[in-house]
Amino acid sequence: KAGVTQTPRYLIKTRGQQVTLSCSPISGHRSVSWYQQTPGQGLQFLFEYFSETQRNKGNFPGRFSGRQFSNSRSEMNVSTLELGDSALYLCASTPSGGRRADTQYFGPGTRLTVL
Amino acid sequence: TQLLEQSPQFLSIQEGENLTVYCNSSSVFSSLQWYRQEPGEGPVLLVTVVTGGEVKKLKRLTFQFGDARKDSSLHITAAQPGDTGLYLCAGSADSWGKLQFGAGTQVVVTP
Repeated sequence: KAGVTQTPRYLIKTRGQQVTLSCSPISGHRSVSWYQQTPGQGLQFLFEYFSETQRNKGNFPGRFSGRQFSNSRSEMNVSTLELGDSALYLCASTPSGGRRADTQYFGPGTRLTVL
Repeated sequence: TQLLEQSPQFLSIQEGENLTVYCNSSSVFSSLQWYRQEPGEGPVLLVTVVTGGEVKKLKRLTFQFGDARKDSSLHITAAQPGDTGLYLCAGSADSWGKLQFGAGTQVVVTP
């Protein structure tokens, strides 16, 4: 099976712009989670989608949003970019849909740099 | 919030030496995962432990889950330069799709 794929791998934007990141989970996986990773904060949970519904959300401002399509592919959007949004954005998929997070499989990430 | 504390934060050793990384919490986790991450890449799953007291071996890596399911350790025997990376432990919380991650242990193995 192909692994989790994320596009693009690298992105450079300027403050105030918006950005959309894409994630394709492992075939058959219906739950997709997003994380932000920075040197100072480590991996921080953004949100989780299952069957096109957001079931959980981390402590991030409303500028961060996401969605999931019927084929389980997911996108996340960040509007009005700030310098502090520079980070590695990771997508993870999991085969089960249970409340307790199951083992997650990560994509390579999208490195976002905000200038 | 269930917090996971990893120690040490940084470990630098010579090839052939052994090392142990610890992951501790005051909370009980239903399962715990260990990942290794290389610069600019996503974390790669090494193992999932579920049962208290469980020991799993993956070649030169040995993983242990504490009896009370609050802590875990990763032991590498005869480390090699290819073992270099950021080792992350993550616990399964009672929260849809969310893993609680430790801050990570950066391991550097020099030839």
